[in-house]
Amino acid sequence: GAVVSQHPSRVICKSGTSVKIECRSLDFQATTMFWYRQFPKQSLMLMATSNEGSKATYEQGVEKDKFLINHASLTLSTLTVTSAHPEDSSFYICSASGFPNYGYTFGSGTRLTVV
Amino acid sequence: SQQGEEDPQALSIQEGENATMNCSYKTSINNLQWYRQNSGRGLVHLILIRSNEREKHSGRLRVTLDTSKKSSSLLITASRAADTASYFCATEDSSYKLIFGSGTRLLVRP
Repeated sequence: GAVVSQHPSRVICKSGTSVKIECRSLDFQATTMFWYRQFPKQSLMLMATSNEGSKATYEQGVEKDKFLINHASLTLSTLTVTSAHPEDSSFYICSASGFPNYGYTFGSGTRLTVV
Repeated sequence: SQQGEEDPQALSIQEGENATMNCSYKTSINNLQWYRQNSGRGLVHLILIRSNEREKHSGRLRVTLDTSKKSSSLLITASRAADTASYFCATEDSSYKLIFGSGTRLLVRP
C-alpha cells in the first residue's frame, strides 16, 4: 500500500533554532500534502495544505512565516519550524493524497521538543 | 480548525465488552473516516463511510452515519486489550481537507 516516510521521528532543538521535517511519498505521487499539529492528549489540528508547485494555504491562526512549507516535488514536502520556541513543542504529522492513491496516507509523525 | 466533537472523551471497559464512540460534525461532508492512534504514534486508518452510506462493517468494527443529524458512531465489538488507543473521526469536506474530531481515549482492561 501507499507509504509516507516522515523524518525525523524525534528532534530536540534549542530555542531560536530552526527545524526541518520531511515527508516523502514512497510509491505514489503526492499532489496534496496536509500538515497537522497535535498537542498532548488533544486532537490533530490542520495547519496548512500544500499542492505541488504552489504556495501552501494556511489555516486561520497559523503563522506562515513561522511554519514554512515547501512542496516542490510530487514526492517530497517539508515543514520548517523557524525560530522555534518551547511553545512550538508538539507532535507534527503529515498526510499525503495524490495518484494513484486518492486516499490519505499519514506519516508516522515527528515529536519536536524545543528546550 | 476542528470539525466537531466526539463523546465520550474517555471510555474504560472490560475486555470482551463492546465500545461505542460518537462523533458530531458541523458542515457538509464527502465522507467520514475513523482513525486509531496509539500513544505518541501515527494514525491508522480504520474505515471510511461515504455521505450516501448509512452503515458499514469491517471485521469487529461497525460504523453508522446520519447526515441529517451530522453524526456518526463507531462500534467495536468484543473488545480486546490491544484495542486500547485513541480513536478519531475525521470528515472530508468539499475542499478535500480532512478535519479531525476531538477524539475518544479508549482503555480496555484485561
